[in-house]
Amino acid sequence: KNEVEQSPQNLTAQEGEFITINCSYSVGISALHWLQQHPGGGIVSLFMLSSGKKKHGRLIATINIQEKHSSLHITASHPRDSAVYICAVGVNFGNEKLTFGTGTRLTIIP
Amino acid sequence: NAGVTQTPKFQVLKTGQSMTLQCAQDMNHNSMYWYRQDPGMGLRLIYYSASEGTTDKGEVPNGYNVSRLNKREFSLRLESAAPSQTSVYFCASSEFPSNQPQHFGDGTRLSIL
Repeated sequence: KNEVEQSPQNLTAQEGEFITINCSYSVGISALHWLQQHPGGGIVSLFMLSSGKKKHGRLIATINIQEKHSSLHITASHPRDSAVYICAVGVNFGNEKLTFGTGTRLTIIP
Repeated sequence: NAGVTQTPKFQVLKTGQSMTLQCAQDMNHNSMYWYRQDPGMGLRLIYYSASEGTTDKGEVPNGYNVSRLNKREFSLRLESAAPSQTSVYFCASSEFPSNQPQHFGDGTRLSIL
């Protein structure tokens, strides 16, 4: 069973700061997902990646397959970025039974 | 575009009662999933359905049953609710077979007294 570890568990930062959230996993994967869970509870998929780097707006996700590590970066953070960020990994293409991390709670202070 | 719709949003049950959580998606996805989310733990897969007519157990299936009624709908049933089943339940869907993100419903907050 794949183990997914996220760090930090909680992160508080000032508006405008550069944010990094880390995710490590224990066995080889087909893809890694970053998800955002809003304070109201809804979950949205941000990225799915199996190599390299992806960027969407102020969010950047990177993955290092050899080191079994991924990072989610947020540039010019804003209070609306406050949420729980969840890392998840899947091992089988076409059968995406995901293993989830426990999440990183991010709070951006104005 | 509604995406994944879960009903109800909140429910309180007494121990031993039964209920069915409903999930429907309008994205023509083949795969559907039921997860539970508990404090301090990651989302855990209860059951999934790779396609209409098929279901399979996930990590924590005990105490639950599922029905894939058609391509759109995937229901989760608690036959005899227990306090340990107090949780937030999420339904999700994705295309299959393909490596695409899952789309989540808004969740059902269930309390068992």
